[in-house]
Amino acid sequence: TQLLEQSPQFLSIQEGENLTVYCNSSSVFSSLQWYRQEPGEGPVLLVTVVTGGEVKKLKRLTFQFGDARKDSSLHITAAQPGDTGLYLCAGESNAGNMLTFGGGTRLMVKP
Amino acid sequence: ETGVTQSPTHLIKTRGQQVTLRCSSQSGHNTVSWYQQALGQGPQFIFQYYREEENGRGNFPPRFSGLQFPNYSSELNVNALELDDSALYLCASSLELWGGGYTFGSGTRLTVV
Repeated sequence: TQLLEQSPQFLSIQEGENLTVYCNSSSVFSSLQWYRQEPGEGPVLLVTVVTGGEVKKLKRLTFQFGDARKDSSLHITAAQPGDTGLYLCAGESNAGNMLTFGGGTRLMVKP
Repeated sequence: ETGVTQSPTHLIKTRGQQVTLRCSSQSGHNTVSWYQQALGQGPQFIFQYYREEENGRGNFPPRFSGLQFPNYSSELNVNALELDDSALYLCASSLELWGGGYTFGSGTRLTVV
């Protein structure tokens, strides 16, 4: 059974601070996807990383896939209240037929 | 381009009853997956359909079953509902397998009493 450990579970910071969310596993995934979920909505895809060591940037968000394709991180620079939400990492199986989600990081950015 | 549409948005059922949840995939997407998200947790994979065939199943009992239709829309059926089945049920579609990312619907909130 593939498991993804996501940390921290909760994060409350002030506007302008930086933060990093970690996603770790003992399993290898074909890709690692990051989603953001608002209350009452489904997850929305932020990024997919496929190659070990890959780094992708999306404005103030930087995503990294570990060299061994087992772990990933999300770094947010100068967080804003609009970044508030539930961040989920998800590893895609090698068969391409399922996502294993981490437990999520609930981020609150205070003005 | 329409996204993924799920119905109903909310549902209350009694323990032991049966329920059918529906999902319309994003236009052109031939793969649909269903996930269960309990309160405060990440989604758990139920099963996936690819071109009308089941293409993988998570750790859910047989009373969870599904269908995918020729237009790639899908149904999730749950028989003999239990209190623990109360959750947000999410449908996700993708264009093909591997690495493309999934488009999720807003989910159906099922409450079993």
